Amino acid sequence: GQQVMQIPQYQHVQEGEDFTTYCNSSTTLSNIQWYKQRPGGHPVFLIQLVKSGEVKKQKRLTFQFGEAKKNSSLHITATQTTDVGTYFCADLTGNQFYFGTGTSLTVIP
Amino acid sequence: GAVVSQHPSWVICKSGTSVKIECRSLDFQATTMFWYRQFPKQSLMLMATSNEGSKATYEQGVEKDKFLINHASLTLSTLTVTSAHPEDSSFYICSSPGPTNEKLFFGSGTQLSVL
Repeated sequence: GQQVMQIPQYQHVQEGEDFTTYCNSSTTLSNIQWYKQRPGGHPVFLIQLVKSGEVKKQKRLTFQFGEAKKNSSLHITATQTTDVGTYFCADLTGNQFYFGTGTSLTVIP
Repeated sequence: GAVVSQHPSWVICKSGTSVKIECRSLDFQATTMFWYRQFPKQSLMLMATSNEGSKATYEQGVEKDKFLINHASLTLSTLTVTSAHPEDSSFYICSSPGPTNEKLFFGSGTQLSVL
C-alpha cells in the first residue's frame, strides 16, 4: 500500500502555543484528507483538500495542500487542551484510503 | 452524518479461538467497508477492502484465510479473526465512505486481546 509519512511523530506543547504537523508523500496525491483521533476514540474527519496550493481554515486550524500535491500541513493556532489527540492525513488512491503515520499531540495546561 | 456501528467494543479470547467483529451502517448503504488494524500509538493500517456481494481485496501481507471478511449485505460487513493468537491482539476498526463517498465514517473500534 501507499506510505505517507508524517512529522513529527509526537509533539508536546504548552497550552496557547502553536502546533504544526506535516504530511509528505513520494507520489502525487489526488486529494488529501485530515482526521483527528482522540485517545481511546475513533478517527473523525476534519477536512479534504483537492486543489494544488489549496488553503482551508476551520477556526484555529489551517490546512494547506502543497503546490506539487505531494505534501500537506495542518497548523493549529493557540492550542487548547481539547486539541489533544492524534492527527492523521489520509490519501484516497483508487477508492482506498491510506493513512499517514500520524502525529500525536499533547497539550500541557 | 452517517453512522457505523461496530460490535463488540472489547473482546478477550483464548488462543486458537475465532472472533467475529461486526460493522453495520445504520442510516446508509455501505457498498464499501474498509478494515483497519491499529497497534498502540501507531497508525491505522489498511487490512482489506470489502465490497458488498464480492470478495474482499486484501492488502499485501494480510492473510486472507486468517482474517475472513464477509460483506453479504449493504448494511453489514464482518471480520472474523480465525485461530487467534496473542500477536493478533490489536485495535480493529472499520470504516465506510458514507453515502456521498467522500469521507470516511468509522466504527467505534474493537479492542481484541488474545490470551
